[in-house]
Amino acid sequence: SQQGEEDPQALSIQEGENATMNCSYKTSINNLQWYRQNSGRGLVHLILIRSNEREKHSGRLRVTLDTSKKSSSLLITASRAADTASYFCATPAGGTSYGKLTFGQGTILTVHP
Amino acid sequence: DTEVTQTPKHLVMGMTNKKSLKCEQHMGHRAMYWYKQKAKKPPELMFVYSYEKLSINESVPSRFSPECPNSSLLNLHLHALQPEDSALYLCASSLSALRGNYGYTFGSGTRLTVV
Repeated sequence: SQQGEEDPQALSIQEGENATMNCSYKTSINNLQWYRQNSGRGLVHLILIRSNEREKHSGRLRVTLDTSKKSSSLLITASRAADTASYFCATPAGGTSYGKLTFGQGTILTVHP
Repeated sequence: DTEVTQTPKHLVMGMTNKKSLKCEQHMGHRAMYWYKQKAKKPPELMFVYSYEKLSINESVPSRFSPECPNSSLLNLHLHALQPEDSALYLCASSLSALRGNYGYTFGSGTRLTVV
């Protein structure tokens, strides 16, 4: 089963608005990552937040992590049409499964000009 | 060079064909990965190579055969595929596979269609 589950499954907003996506996971993690995928193309790494961090910023992106609730959120501020994409959270498995990055179901974001 | 290059971008093959997907990176990353992605689904891990050795095989059918000739190259050999194997195949790399503490760099993928 997927480690990360995201909501909403789809989000439609106007340019200039903020977009918030949420991710929940089941087991303990040492970091959580967010990726963007434009239609039918490769994924782009956006941000990695470690388990001892609560918030991280990168440009118009703000990621929070609440390890007590096993959840994370990605906020995109002042969205642009170019932000239209699928967004995935991903968590690494620990133990002997080094390198096993598991992706959530993803949120499809549509930003209307 | 901060890219992962995958070739070909598109591939159509018959069920009796043998073909190979290629992946290359020159970032000095020591972990490389193959993922499979079906439409409207998240990527699913197939194989992990760490320091040129296969470290994870996610119970992938033997008609998919990975190979890591050196630290920069990763191949996926395909033989006797089924139509349900049609998907986007993504290659990725990271500095290390250790505890997944590094972000992945993905290639743009190979769109595979099996007829």
